[in-house]
Amino acid sequence: ETGVTQTPRHLVMGMTNKKSLKCEQHLGHNAMYWYKQSAKKPLELMFVYNFKEQTENNSVPSRFSPECPNSSHLFLHLHTLQPEDSALYLCASSPGRTGEANEQFFGPGTRLTVL
Amino acid sequence: GNSVTQMEGPVTLSEEAFLTINCTYTATGYPSLFWYVQYPGEGLQLLLKATKADDKGSNKGFEATYRKETTSFHLEKGSVQVSDSAVYFCALGGYGNNRLAFGKGNQVVVIP
Repeated sequence: ETGVTQTPRHLVMGMTNKKSLKCEQHLGHNAMYWYKQSAKKPLELMFVYNFKEQTENNSVPSRFSPECPNSSHLFLHLHTLQPEDSALYLCASSPGRTGEANEQFFGPGTRLTVL
Repeated sequence: GNSVTQMEGPVTLSEEAFLTINCTYTATGYPSLFWYVQYPGEGLQLLLKATKADDKGSNKGFEATYRKETTSFHLEKGSVQVSDSAVYFCALGGYGNNRLAFGKGNQVVVIP
């Protein structure tokens, strides 16, 4: 595998289910991100991890719980979601170098549908 | 804070037409600028970038020049193909942080 991979690619869940999204990057990067992309809305940054530490949480509801066990893996644990949480969830990584702005590399996304 | 503004609305054009997508930015310091492309059913891919004023990024026939005097980074392609149909995002990265500020994106539809 190369680049950034995400599993599953598609997920349908009920509002009472618990599921997890997985992201893995094979680029040797130190920063990882979760974004939410909804139809007709701008890209929303949810969480940022830098060297496994969460450095940003953009007022995301607690029904979304991120986990970053190491610099290569990022999870998003989901529970008691709402239908409005249906969206494409994108994972990204970047080198995490200090100083210069870092370009981000994106995975293909998980298309989530909440019934 | 840092922000990016893209022109409103989708862009529909015929094959071999000239494409321009406007992007202007607001930033402190010396940001880097990026264009990303998202094909249907996929994540965002970096298309090109520029890290300082007057730099020109180019890739796959697309070009954009970092204009500090007009705070712009417009994307251009001289002759589009049906395969260029996608959503294009302008983004800005500030010096010293890991965040990118994205524009709202522009849907481009190229008709044969």
